[in-house]
Amino acid sequence: DTGVSQDPRHKITKRGQNVTFRCDPISEHNRLYWYRQTLGQGPEFLTYFQNEAQLEKSRLLSDRFSAERPKGSFSTLEIQRTEQGDSAMYLCASNPVGGRAGDYEQFFGPGTRLTVL
Amino acid sequence: AQSVTQLDSQVPVFEEAPVELRCNYSSSVSVYLFWYVQYPNQGLQLLLKYLSGSTLVKGINGFEAEFNKSQTSFHLRKPSVHISDTAEYFCAVRKAAGSYQLTFGKGTKLSVIP
Repeated sequence: DTGVSQDPRHKITKRGQNVTFRCDPISEHNRLYWYRQTLGQGPEFLTYFQNEAQLEKSRLLSDRFSAERPKGSFSTLEIQRTEQGDSAMYLCASNPVGGRAGDYEQFFGPGTRLTVL
Repeated sequence: AQSVTQLDSQVPVFEEAPVELRCNYSSSVSVYLFWYVQYPNQGLQLLLKYLSGSTLVKGINGFEAEFNKSQTSFHLRKPSVHISDTAEYFCAVRKAAGSYQLTFGKGTKLSVIP
């Protein structure tokens, strides 16, 4: 399977703990995005990378959140001092720059479901 | 800023009946429009997109959508639904220039009744 992969698929943690999620985009996709989806809502944009550069960040991305893409391939999203309000599905997406698909379609991974107790 | 309103949170429909899922958007700049489908425990899959040109867009699985600029709408339709179409559907917009982030609506749960 050559789609976007995310690890872990599920994470249960206690309030105050730190968690880290990983996203592996489709090979050679330059752009990588993180979204958060809470119950009953559509996904909300968090941040996006082009190669290793973080080019956009949402106001939703508080100081407790940090995302990296150090070599322009996989990305990690870390949440420090988790709160119950952080419980959500964290989705990763990627797309290429240019090409036949252009930069229009974002290909989504299956998500990481975080539960903060 | 852009916003998307999906007018129906849940739509039940009998198998083989037609369905329309409604989407309205708001934006002060030109946008691209998308419909995504999400099956349980899966990521989002693109159904179709409107970038420019013909206002009637055909997508996968027999779905189509019509872009109406004057009404700022992008409703999704299918003439005959199947059980396998049961899923959540999300309308999304993106600025045509300057940003790549998608803004999603809250979603519409389509339930196909046998």
